[in-house]
Order: sequence, then C-alpha cells, then structure tokens
Amino acid sequence: DAGVIQSPRHEVTEMGQEVTLRCKPISGHDYLFWYRQTMMRGLELLIYFNNNVPIDDSGMPEDRFSAKMPNASFSTLKIQPSEPRDSAVYFCASSLRGGGYGANVLTFGAGSRLTVL
Amino acid sequence: AQTVTQSQPEMSVQEAETVTLSCTYDTSESNYYLFWYKQPPSRQMILVIRQEAYKQQNATENRFSVNFQKAAKSFSLKISDSQLGDTAMYFCAFHGQGGSEKLVFGKGTKLTVNP
Repeated sequence: DAGVIQSPRHEVTEMGQEVTLRCKPISGHDYLFWYRQTMMRGLELLIYFNNNVPIDDSGMPEDRFSAKMPNASFSTLKIQPSEPRDSAVYFCASSLRGGGYGANVLTFGAGSRLTVL
Repeated sequence: AQTVTQSQPEMSVQEAETVTLSCTYDTSESNYYLFWYKQPPSRQMILVIRQEAYKQQNATENRFSVNFQKAAKSFSLKISDSQLGDTAMYFCAFHGQGGSEKLVFGKGTKLTVNP
C-alpha cells in the first residue's frame, strides 16, 4: 500500500483565496482524520469521518473551513477565504477500527504545508 | 476531556546513550491506548510504539520501550543506544475507548542526538 497520500505538499497563496487540500486514505481503512499542526497549538483534530460520514467536526475553527468525503478513497479540506492565521501543516490520517493488530493506529500522510500571505 | 502533557520541550542525548521522554495524561476511562509518534525533519508522523491500557506488560519495539504506570497515568518512552536518526519531535498520544475516535496529542518533545 502506498500509505496515506496528500496533495499538495506545499501551497502558498494570498489572503482571500480558496485553498483545497486533498487526501487519499489507505484502502480498507474506515476512519479518516484531518489534523492541523502549528507551533503554538501543536496537533489539533479538525474533523474525522467514519465510513465517509462526518462524526466530529467540533475542531473546525470556523465556517471558512469545510471538509468532505464523497467516497471511501478521497477527502478534501477546503478553506475559503483563506487568512494568514490559517498557515500551518495540515495532516490527513486514516485508521481501521475493530480490533486486531494495527487497530486504532493512525497512519499519517506527509502533510500539506500551507502558507497564506 | 482527556489531556496529554509532555513536560520536556527539548532534550539532548549523546549517540549510543539512553534517554527517557516523559508523558502524563488525564482520563477517567479505564481502557484506552497510548502511543508514541516520531516526527523527523521530513515532518512525516511515524508510529514508534503502542500500549494497550489493559496490558500490564510494557510494550517494546527494538530499541524503544515504554514504562507504563497506569495508576500514576504516566507513559514514558525509553530510547536505548540512541542513533543520529532518532533526532526528531516525539509526541505522546491518547486514544480512549469511550466512543470518540479522537487521538489527543501532547505538545511534543524535541530530541536531539549528538555525535
């Protein structure tokens, strides 16, 4: 398996622009997570999905952020409009629930570094 | 809500020496999982070791081992025979079994292995 695949690896944009981050989870995993990492706040969970359904979006900072998972192999995190304080590394991770070796272990993608000027 | 505390923002160790990173957590749950993740400069988050709370035996993965003290809610990571490639941020994380799949992370410890 190629692991969790995220794109783009780096994104530089100007304030007010729309940003879309993409994620392909590991095949067969039934949970998908979006985390944000900053120096000040560390790793924060933004939202997670189970079987493509959003379960907990309490970490989404505001209405400018939205996430979708149209199918089991693809998810997007969108920021519209973007602001400089959104600059961070955004990680996607997936996991398999239900016991057995590897259960409950999050496998992370390489992250998308977003810079909003 | 669960919290995870890593009290050492930075640590350093000489190559081939042993180092221990501290982690404490707060929870009212009786069954849960604890993890250590490593984040090298490449920023990829890599699982180092996992401990299930109902297992009394401390987990071990090659040079990495944990000291899990459930009553004290402590979960330290010991790295033996430190190597230059161990230089990274290390994050302690908690995963409860109370219904949420949320993985709660500590703020991390930056470990530098010196030659």
